[in-house]
Amino acid sequence: DTGVSQNPRHKITKRGQNVTFRCDPISEHNRLYWYRQTLGQGPEFLTYFQNEAQLEKSRLLSDRFSAERPKGSFSTLEIQRTEQGDSAMYLCASSLVSAGAGDIQYFGAGTRLSVL
Amino acid sequence: AQSVTQPDIHITVSEGASLELRCNYSYGATPYLFWYVQSPGQGLQLLLKYFSGDTLVQGIKGFEAEFKRSQSSFNLRKPSVHWSDAAEYFCAVIVFMDTGRRALTFGSGTRLQVQP
Repeated sequence: DTGVSQNPRHKITKRGQNVTFRCDPISEHNRLYWYRQTLGQGPEFLTYFQNEAQLEKSRLLSDRFSAERPKGSFSTLEIQRTEQGDSAMYLCASSLVSAGAGDIQYFGAGTRLSVL
Repeated sequence: AQSVTQPDIHITVSEGASLELRCNYSYGATPYLFWYVQSPGQGLQLLLKYFSGDTLVQGIKGFEAEFKRSQSSFNLRKPSVHWSDAAEYFCAVIVFMDTGRRALTFGSGTRLQVQP
């Protein structure tokens, strides 16, 4: 078990370009979360998957953002037509939730996006 | 709406001194409570959690936290701080969304600086 893996670690892009991030959760974890963290703030929830189903999206997730989790394993987060305000750290977390068990989320190291 | 407040943005302590980081939450029911630590450029590492039972919980790296229902608080403590404890600390609460699913709501963090 290597923990939650995120790639790339850093991404620099020009405004208007599309970017895609990948998250590989801890194997057998059935839930996967995406959060965004800006400087000096705590992470904010973006979206969440239970297996391959996307069950909740935050109001923070504009139409330019899309996330997928095909086959319930890794997930991708795509941002289209990036804006400078999208510059942030994008964090992925995964958890295994079963009856009677609490939801403990384990985080990856994040992808830092800089939009020039 | 549920919220988490960490009133101290920045705390400086001397190595070997005791530490207390404050966290207050606003939530109708007893939530699941967490403390995470984030070192520069890193993801979040879980220090400890409270789901139910004993209100004093022990975590990794010598940290503990006490849940006080009457004060809606979950303060983090350590009796003797080490230089390696310098990092950003986040208190978080599981909140139940409209769909019944759960995400973490984080406080804005407390940056801990340790003086030699």
